[in-house]
Amino acid sequence: EPEVTQTPSHQVTQMGQEVILRCVPISNHLYFYWYRQILGQKVEFLVSFYNNEISEKSEIFDDQFSVERPDGSNFTLKIRSTKLEDSAMYFCASTPTSGAGEQYFGPGTRLTVT
Amino acid sequence: RKEVEQDPGPFNVPEGATVAFNCTYSNSASQSFFWYRQDCRKEPKLLMSVYSSGNEDGRFTAQLNRASQYISLLIRDSKLSDSATYLCVVNRAGTASKLTFGTGTRLQVTL
Repeated sequence: EPEVTQTPSHQVTQMGQEVILRCVPISNHLYFYWYRQILGQKVEFLVSFYNNEISEKSEIFDDQFSVERPDGSNFTLKIRSTKLEDSAMYFCASTPTSGAGEQYFGPGTRLTVT
Repeated sequence: RKEVEQDPGPFNVPEGATVAFNCTYSNSASQSFFWYRQDCRKEPKLLMSVYSSGNEDGRFTAQLNRASQYISLLIRDSKLSDSATYLCVVNRAGTASKLTFGTGTRLQVTL
């Protein structure tokens, strides 16, 4: 069964450093998303992406964040200058073009900012 | 008011018990509804979509009441492996729209 994959599984970085989180969505899906989950809190939407552009973004997704689909398979989230409060699990998700909008999540990248 | 509200639990039940979780959502324009399951420090996994007519998948039954903006999940004959956090999830605007998550209800099934 096709799955969303994410790398790395765990990233430790120092405050102020740039990080890039990588995702490979399910191959025939066209809508892609990033969510984050701070430890002990709910899953929060960051951004959605379709047809090589951002469809929607939350207020969390400020100028420090960017997304890119550099080729036909990868989907990346970049945080330009990490803050302590960026420490969280970051989940990538994708959805098929048909269906009720169910999204399929990757295993996540745990980002620790020190 | 939170967009999606759930009782955080935990619900501690013995194996074989029936347990029910409830969820309310605030936006009456919401279009699609789901239950996801999340194990500790893992990704949310789709358990089932929820339809107005109600739907069942094995031991799991989901119901939606649009008038009351209320969603439920019933688990019959609980197994140890059902221990997880159950997330009530709403999609407001259609297929490509973001998902809005509740905080989850934690279930612990014991021997």
